Formats: sequence, structure tokens, C-alpha cells
Amino acid sequence: NAGVTQTPKFQVLKTGQSMTLQCAQDMNHEYMSWYRQDPGMGLRLIHYSVGAGITDQGEVPNGYNVSRSTTEDFPLRLLSAAPSQTSVYFCASSPPGGGYGYTFGSGTRLTVV
Amino acid sequence: KNQVEQSPQSLIILEGKNCTLQCNYTVSPFSNLRWYKQDTGRGPVSLTIMTFSENTKSNGRYTATLDADTKQSSLHITASQLSDSASYICVVSLGRPGNDYKLSFGAGTTVTVRA
Repeated sequence: NAGVTQTPKFQVLKTGQSMTLQCAQDMNHEYMSWYRQDPGMGLRLIHYSVGAGITDQGEVPNGYNVSRSTTEDFPLRLLSAAPSQTSVYFCASSPPGGGYGYTFGSGTRLTVV
Repeated sequence: KNQVEQSPQSLIILEGKNCTLQCNYTVSPFSNLRWYKQDTGRGPVSLTIMTFSENTKSNGRYTATLDADTKQSSLHITASQLSDSASYICVVSLGRPGNDYKLSFGAGTTVTVRA
């Protein structure tokens, strides 16, 4: 099993550009989520999904969109990149009910100039 | 205000020595408390998970303790190795067992082990 796969690993964007961060998992996990990690702060939840077709906002959703058309994939879209979105982004998944088995991807380092 | 506070922010220890990391939380109710290890450039990896009824959990040289009354947890690293150099993150799982998807993260303690 590959676990949780994120692409790309690194990305530089210009202010105002849009892009999609990809996340895929092969563990048949129902729950998937996106976090951002900034220096000196804990990971913060952006959006999450408890199953295909179901998404909801987390703590810091502004400027980001998500969709969940399949169990495996949970892409994160930046609509109009801003320097404040410079961060490391992590995708995670877990089995039904959350809790145990939470698995993180290796992250995407995004720089917006 | 962050609901999970960790201390110290960073520490340096010599190889072979022990160290203890602290975590205080205000989250309530919570399903479980976890400690993760995050190597540079990698995603967090789970070390231990404790429910509120457990007060200790070990994983090799890592031992976590939990005092649900004082809302404190600690992670003890025994006989440190160079590979222990990483960020250690305390995470509290919100909500009830079976519905605890949401996690609240501490900022982490960066541990550097020197030869």
C-alpha cells in the first residue's frame, strides 16, 4: 500500500495564480482532511470530508476549495493564491469513526511570491 | 488561544541521555491523546495513542503518560539516539469515541540529539 500520496512535493506560485494540490489514499479510508502547518503553530484544519460527496469547513477554510468525488481522492484548490498561503500542506486520512489509523501524507511545500 | 500547549519549544540532548516533553491541554471532551513524531520534510507519524482512561503507553523507547484530571501529558524518550532528532507533536482528538475525526494539534517540541 502506498498510504497517503500528495503531489506535488514543492510548488512556487505567483500571487493570484490558482492551483490544485492532489491527495490520494489507497486504504479505503472514509475520512480525509487537509491541514496547513506554519512555523510555531500546530497543524490547522482547512477542510475535511467524511465520505464521497461530503465535505465541510475546518478552522481556516478561506481561500481554499475541496471536493470529494471518489473515496480515494481529495484535492485542495487554491482559488487565487496569496502570500499568506505560503505554508506546508498535509493531507490525512483515517478509517470510519476517526481515531486510530490516522495517516498523514508527506506534505506539499507551497511558496506564494 | 491554542487548546494544546507544549513545552519546551525546543531542546538539545546528548546521545544516550533521557528527556521528557510536556503537553497541557484544555480540550473537552476528548476521545484520545496522541503523540506524533515528525521528521524534517515528512508528515507526522503516530507514536502512541491513549484514551482518557489510560495513564501510560509505551512504544519502544518512547513512553507517554496522561493525567486526565490535570489535563497533562508527557512523552519520555529513553536512551536517545541520533534518529530521535525530530519534532514531537501532542494531539488531542476531539469529540466522542467513534466520532473523533477532528484533531487539535500542539505546536510541537523540536528535539535535537547530538553525538
